[in-house]
Amino acid sequence: DQQVKQNSPSLSVQEGRISILNCDYTNSMFDYFLWYKKYPAEGPTFLISISSIKDKNEDGRFTVFLNKSAKHLSLHIVPSQPGDSAVYFCAASFSNAGGTSYGKLTFGQGTILTVHP
Amino acid sequence: GAGVSQSPSNKVTEKGKDVELRCDPISGHTALYWYRQSLGQGLEFLIYFQGNSAPDKSGLPSDRFSAERTGGSVSTLTIQRTQQEDSAVYLCASSSRSGIGGANVLTFGAGSRLTVL
Repeated sequence: DQQVKQNSPSLSVQEGRISILNCDYTNSMFDYFLWYKKYPAEGPTFLISISSIKDKNEDGRFTVFLNKSAKHLSLHIVPSQPGDSAVYFCAASFSNAGGTSYGKLTFGQGTILTVHP
Repeated sequence: GAGVSQSPSNKVTEKGKDVELRCDPISGHTALYWYRQSLGQGLEFLIYFQGNSAPDKSGLPSDRFSAERTGGSVSTLTIQRTQQEDSAVYLCASSSRSGIGGANVLTFGAGSRLTVL
């Protein structure tokens, strides 16, 4: 059962334009969501996260939006740069009583982003 | 160390042989995770260690897989009697889990690519 899904295996955008990467989840108990970026032959690196009590979190060119009613989140990259070309994974986790996410992350299948100069 | 270190980076073995993969987490990180990524797939959770607590082994695909963490630091993932379907990149991650509210950000190593012939 795929609890976190990224239905678009790939996305191609022009440099300077917006990239929108989408992620859906099925388990309403998830309350932290994270995005990771992965280059070939490297481990995934953390990009940005969002708590379920928020609907938006912004960090520079990266913004994550969360729609809890739709169980959907998206990552916006504006403006896109060729160096952003990588595989993007969304991930979800539960929180403990202290309000910190803990335990394992459940990952989506990833979306390959290609930004053309 | 500065990052999560994994060895070997590449391992080719014959079906039926045992393999050991090593992970050296970031110094001071109390939580350690193993994931694997099969070709074209997302990251699949395998096992999670947190301090002195019993590990969460819920993701191990069969009893051929085992892992240990010695002294709360280095971890070894062992696959016995390897099969071709075990071919994947095995990723180790660690996190500090400071207990302060927020997302549990995992820092990944570059992975160990296992090929079973």
